[in-house]
Amino acid sequence: DGGITQSPKYLFRKEGQNVTLSCEQNLNHDAMYWYRQDPGQGLRLIYYSQIVNDFQKGDIAEGYSVSREKKESFPLTVTSAQKNPTAFYLCASSTSIFGVGGLTDTQYFGPGTRLTVL
Amino acid sequence: GQQVMQIPQYQHVQEGEDFTTYCNSSTTLSNIQWYKQRPGGHPVFLIQLVKSGEVKKQKRLTFQFGEAKKNSSLHITATQTTDVGTYFCAGKTLTGTYKYIFGTGTRLKVLA
Repeated sequence: DGGITQSPKYLFRKEGQNVTLSCEQNLNHDAMYWYRQDPGQGLRLIYYSQIVNDFQKGDIAEGYSVSREKKESFPLTVTSAQKNPTAFYLCASSTSIFGVGGLTDTQYFGPGTRLTVL
Repeated sequence: GQQVMQIPQYQHVQEGEDFTTYCNSSTTLSNIQWYKQRPGGHPVFLIQLVKSGEVKKQKRLTFQFGEAKKNSSLHITATQTTDVGTYFCAGKTLTGTYKYIFGTGTRLKVLA
């Protein structure tokens, strides 16, 4: 059963703790992305990865870190430096970051992780 | 930086009424995609528009890309309760990084 999974669905952490969100895909996609969604707002890009061992900062990378050691996995760490970490985090993947016409950059989203920092 | 705005932010309609959401970019786009997010769910890809002035239809949904490739719209004819959710546009810039800028979304509520 192909798809993109995120775990856990709900996550609670104390203020000041680092937390790592999991994202796994078995779609054989090269590109992966992390977005943050706050209530009533759109998606904001945190980090994206074009290929294994490569990643780029998005629009709101401060306080977050990522790694891309395997094609299937793109974990996101929310560090204590992130001032307002409570949010809904969405991971996505696409065949590549390029496209136009071929739809190779269509993003497939995971179910999301709702992080609450107490 | 580049911005993509959507209006309206919220829309309540009676079942059977039409609905339109508009997406406006501050810069010219390479292409635009539309996604739907059901309440409590994750965004799901609907369609991609590439050409200036392009119009595409999916059953009751009609998507348009403006001539200047800076705006787009999604029109739903005769809404149904299954249309409930938030509709996002996502525009890709012509130059620079290969990333999509998501619009702020329009939340649609359909009253039976």
